[in-house]
Amino acid sequence: EAEVAQSPRYKITEKSQAVAFWCDPISGHATLYWYRQILGQGPELLVQFQDESVVDDSQLPKDRFSAERLKGVDSTLKIQPAELGDSAMYLCASSSGGGRVQETQYFGPGTRLLVL
Amino acid sequence: AQSVAQPEDQVNVAEGNPLTVKCTYSVSGNPYLFWYVQYPNRGLQFLLKYITGDNLVKGSYGFEAEFNKSQTSFHLKKPSALVSDSALYFCAVNTNAGKSTFGDGTTLTVKP
Repeated sequence: EAEVAQSPRYKITEKSQAVAFWCDPISGHATLYWYRQILGQGPELLVQFQDESVVDDSQLPKDRFSAERLKGVDSTLKIQPAELGDSAMYLCASSSGGGRVQETQYFGPGTRLLVL
Repeated sequence: AQSVAQPEDQVNVAEGNPLTVKCTYSVSGNPYLFWYVQYPNRGLQFLLKYITGDNLVKGSYGFEAEFNKSQTSFHLKKPSALVSDSALYFCAVNTNAGKSTFGDGTTLTVKP
């Protein structure tokens, strides 16, 4: 069964350092999402791509976060500089169509970030 | 603004008993409702969704959910709980604008 791949699974960094997370969606999925999940809360959408274009990044802290999906396949989420409050699970998800509201999202295992 | 509430942080049931995990929502427009399950240090797994049609939706692993428009609820149910059902459950709502909002999750513990 096809899965969404993410790496690394765990990342420990010091504040003010740069970190990057990678996501490879299910093959053929045009829509890709990055979520942040703080412990004890549900996932919060950071950015949504349709192919290589950003559809929604209204909740992305653009002063320190950036995301790209250059060829419309895999994606990278970067934080620079990292802050203590960025400690969270970062989840990537993909869906097959145009991000239509009835589509099911398939999630990767996540990257757990700890900022010291 | 849309929102999802999962009023119970924790639900405890005995194995073999029925279980219910509650979810209420608030949206303008038609709601598209989802349930996901999350095991420790893992991503979310899709269980079921309501888009339109029959108010009772059947999903994976014997779970079902009932959409109630008048009560704006979408409670997750299972007739007979298993110890392996113990996990974190999330309710989510999508709107016509395509934005997903998740609840804060309910931890289900099934005791042998």
